[in-house]
Amino acid sequence: DQQVKQNSPSLSVQEGRISILNCDYTNSMFDYFLWYKKYPAEGPTFLISISSIKDKNEDGRFTVFLNKSAKHLSLHIVPSQPGDSAVYFCAATRIQGAQKLVFGQGTRLTINP
Amino acid sequence: DGGITQSPKYLFRKEGQNVTLSCEQNLNHDAMYWYRQDPGQGLRLIYYSQIVNDFQKGDIAEGYSVSREKKESFPLTVTSAQKNPTAFYLCASNNHGAGEKLFFGSGTQLSVL
Repeated sequence: DQQVKQNSPSLSVQEGRISILNCDYTNSMFDYFLWYKKYPAEGPTFLISISSIKDKNEDGRFTVFLNKSAKHLSLHIVPSQPGDSAVYFCAATRIQGAQKLVFGQGTRLTINP
Repeated sequence: DGGITQSPKYLFRKEGQNVTLSCEQNLNHDAMYWYRQDPGQGLRLIYYSQIVNDFQKGDIAEGYSVSREKKESFPLTVTSAQKNPTAFYLCASNNHGAGEKLFFGSGTQLSVL
């Protein structure tokens, strides 16, 4: 049972435009969400997170939006840069009870010059 | 510099052989994790440990074993019972075991000869 889903395996965006990566979850108990970025043959690095008490969190070019009623979150990158080309994973967890992170399958983002 | 060190970077396993992947962290984190990455399947949790001398199975523990004799170290053994061991293995750590963002090592690529 895939509790966290990233339905787009890949996304191609022109440099300077907006990149929007989507993530859906099924477990309504999740209350904390994270995005990780991964380059080939390297470990993922933390990008941005959001708690379920908020619907938006912004950090520089990166903004994460959370729609709890739709069980959907999205990562917006504006403007997109060549260095943003990587695989992006969303992850979800429940803070109470020391629950583990559950990861989506990842979306490969390619920024074209 | 503080971080997580995984070794070796590349590892080859012969049929019927057990191999051990090393993971060391100097971040003073309580919890450590092992994930496996396969193409199109995201990160799947193998084992995790929230305290020394204690560990729990993740979603795909069969064919793997771990130990946590020291806070800094969490080695993963891929046994001959793991029939499909070829994958990219990632070690991670954090504090409190939930909600706190994970810090990942650079990974070990395991292949079968």
